[in-house]
Amino acid sequence: EDQVTQSPEALRLQEGESSSLNCSYTVSGLRGLFWYRQDPGKGPEFLFTLYSAGEEKEKERLKATLTKKESFLHITAPKPEDSATYLCAVQAIGGSYIPTFGRGTSLIVHP
Amino acid sequence: ETGVTQSPTHLIKTRGQQVTLRCSSQSGHNTVSWYQQALGQGPQFIFQYYREEENGRGNFPPRFSGLQFPNYSSELNVNALELDDSALYLCASSISGGEDTGELFFGEGSRLTVL
Repeated sequence: EDQVTQSPEALRLQEGESSSLNCSYTVSGLRGLFWYRQDPGKGPEFLFTLYSAGEEKEKERLKATLTKKESFLHITAPKPEDSATYLCAVQAIGGSYIPTFGRGTSLIVHP
Repeated sequence: ETGVTQSPTHLIKTRGQQVTLRCSSQSGHNTVSWYQQALGQGPQFIFQYYREEENGRGNFPPRFSGLQFPNYSSELNVNALELDDSALYLCASSISGGEDTGELFFGEGSRLTVL
């Protein structure tokens, strides 16, 4: 069974204080790993897809990296508008390609 | 390009009642997935529809059922509502087949409260 574990559950940062979120996964064969951002009461919004170990993707202050066991979402010099829950999901090779989501990391950035 | 739209946005029901939630998929997408997200949890997969057929189902009882229509819009029906069904119900559309990137496009969700 595919498993996704995200840590920490919650993270409070001061504006400008860089940090990283972790997504550890167990899957028989990885087809893709996804990061989503979710604002309170809203649907998740797609950020990145990573397909193979060593791959990196960047968008503004966010950078996602991937190894064979985990992914990191690095946030550089965050701003209050980066406050949200960040969800990680994995998609396995074979079967129906249904992604499995983690519980997310709730990020609050204080001004 | 029209995004994923869901209705209603909020609703309150009592135990034992039935509810229907609706979703219009993004233009050009042929697959709709439904997720249940309880407070503080990640989205849990309910089922997926591709070309009007159920294409995968998560660990949810048969009282959760769905439909997909020829225009790829979809409905989620829940019978005999229980208190634990209170959650945000998310619809996500995507492309299956050769163009499948795995990316899901989510709607804003329907917040269901069961009293």
